[in-house]
This record gives sequence, C-alpha cells and structure tokens, in this order.
Amino acid sequence: EPEVTQTPSHQVTQMGQEVILRCVPISNHLYFYWYRQILGQKVEFLVSFYNNEISEKSEIFDDQFSVERPDGSNFTLKIRSTKLEDSAMYFCASSERDSTFYGYTFGSGTRLTVV
Amino acid sequence: DAKTTQPTSMDCAEGRAANLPCNHSTISGNEYVYWYRQIHSQGPQYIIHGLKNNETNEMASLIITEDRKSSTLILPHATLRDTAVYYCIVRVIRDDKIIFGKGTRLHILP
Repeated sequence: EPEVTQTPSHQVTQMGQEVILRCVPISNHLYFYWYRQILGQKVEFLVSFYNNEISEKSEIFDDQFSVERPDGSNFTLKIRSTKLEDSAMYFCASSERDSTFYGYTFGSGTRLTVV
Repeated sequence: DAKTTQPTSMDCAEGRAANLPCNHSTISGNEYVYWYRQIHSQGPQYIIHGLKNNETNEMASLIITEDRKSSTLILPHATLRDTAVYYCIVRVIRDDKIIFGKGTRLHILP
C-alpha cells in the first residue's frame, strides 16, 4: 500500500536554529498538507498546498514557517528560527486530486525537539 | 473549530463490536462525515466517510441517522490493535483542510 514517508523520524535542534522537515507524498497525489501535534494536545492544521502554492494556512503558520515542493517528489516544511514551543510531532499528509472523496494519507511523523 | 461532539473515552471488550457515537447537529447538506483514528503517536489514519447513506469498508461501518445529525462508527470485531483515538470530522465539500477535535479514546480490553 502506498505510503507517505517522512524524514527524519526524530530531530533535536537548538532554539533559534533552522530546521527542514521532509516528506515524500504518494506519487499520484496532488494535495499536500502539514499538521502538528504538541504532546498531549490535538492534531492541528498548519498548511495545505496545491499546484505549487499554498491554498490555505492556519494562524499557527506564521512567517517563521514556509513550505516548498523543490522537485517532483519532495514536500518540505521549514521553520526558520525554532522556538521551544515548536517542539511537537509534525505530520505530512497527501490526498488525491478530488480531496472531497478521498481521505488523507498521513506519514508517521517527525518528532521535533527544540532545546 | 470542530463541529462534532464525541465521548472522551470508551471501553470495549476484545472481539465485541465497538460502537463510537458522534453528534453533528449543525451539519449542512454539503458536509460529509469522516472518521479517522490515531494509534498512539502515529499519523492519523483514514477509516471511512459518508454523506447520508450507510457505508461499509474493510475496516468499519458508518451509520448516519436519517436527519444526519449524528452517526456511529462500528468496528465489528474489535482487537487490541484498535485501541486508538477516533476522530469524527465533518467537512465541507472541497475544503482544503481537515480540522481534528479531541476525539474518543477507545480502549479495547482483553
């Protein structure tokens, strides 16, 4: 069964450093998403991406965050200057063309720890 | 904000059917009901979705009331691996995101 692959599985970074979280969505999917989950809290929407541009973003997704699809396979989330409160699980997801009728496929996540 | 109400937690004996309720009394005509689950700290997993008819797939069944104000997810023969948080989500057609609530923490008891 096709999977969404996320790397690394765990990343530790110092406060103020830049991090890039990487995702390889399912190959025929056209919609891409990033979510995060702070320990013990809800899964929170960050951003959706379609046709090489952001289609929607949440209040969490401020200027410190950016997304990119640098080639035909990778989808990245960059945090420019990490803060302690950015520590969370970050999940990438993708869906097929018509996202109304198909569920999202999520990756296993990257656990980001900011120290 | 999530538009659904779910019990915080439920228990079910292994091998029995797990019935997870969800209230969505303000659902509009073009909103679908989706169910996802999250096992421990893994990524959420799509289970099933429906508009107004009952649906069944290899994982579960979804029963939607005639007025569409509530639904029930049924796991017919629950196993220990079904222990997870289950999320009921209503979603506007062509919405670009899923909004997760707190879900129901389902414990399958041996």
